[in-house]
Amino acid sequence: GPKVLQIPSHQIIDMGQMVTLNCDPVSNHLYFYWYKQILGQQMEFLVNFYNGKVMEKSKLFKDQFSVERPDGSYFTLKIQPTALEDSAVYFCASSLQNQDTQYFGPGTRLLVL
Amino acid sequence: TQTVSQSDAHVTVFEGDSVELRCNYSYGGSIYLSWYIQHHGHGLQFLLKYYSGNPVVQGVNGFEAEFSKSDSSFHLRKASVHWSDSAVYFCAVSAGYNQGKLIFGQGTKLSIKP
Repeated sequence: GPKVLQIPSHQIIDMGQMVTLNCDPVSNHLYFYWYKQILGQQMEFLVNFYNGKVMEKSKLFKDQFSVERPDGSYFTLKIQPTALEDSAVYFCASSLQNQDTQYFGPGTRLLVL
Repeated sequence: TQTVSQSDAHVTVFEGDSVELRCNYSYGGSIYLSWYIQHHGHGLQFLLKYYSGNPVVQGVNGFEAEFSKSDSSFHLRKASVHWSDSAVYFCAVSAGYNQGKLIFGQGTKLSIKP
């Protein structure tokens, strides 16, 4: 199926530092999503993004989080500053239209020390 | 508010057996229902999706799911499992009015014995 790429696959940083997670969505897709999965738990929605704007965000999407996709490049999730509870796997997804099938990337494993 | 419940945390069957993974949801309006598979250490792979029409939906690799409005269910089935089907299976719902936010169940880990 369609491929979503995520860079890096793993990231270890110290608490308080900034981190940027990069997502290369399916080329013609218009809707972009971030989900968070803590080890052994279910996937939880963070945010979705369309036409340069956040459409909806969950309570997990703290003020320290931001997303953007400048000029059709990577769709990024930035966390500044990071906290210990941000340690998780972050999955990016994209879909062609609203409510279309979402295709997921392999995830970025973030460890905050 | 939509909720999703997968009652079985772990299911174990023998290779070649049939299997049903259960998913129940609660939401009164129009709803999209999906199943995804997650192999250990990997991202989610889409299996199938239902919104309307024939309540039995065919997916990849011989999987199918059946929507039941009366039972608020969307159970996943496979007639004969293969060892490569060992994975965690997530049911997900999305309300028709929203911007595609997926609400996931807790997941069911399927283990296949040789």
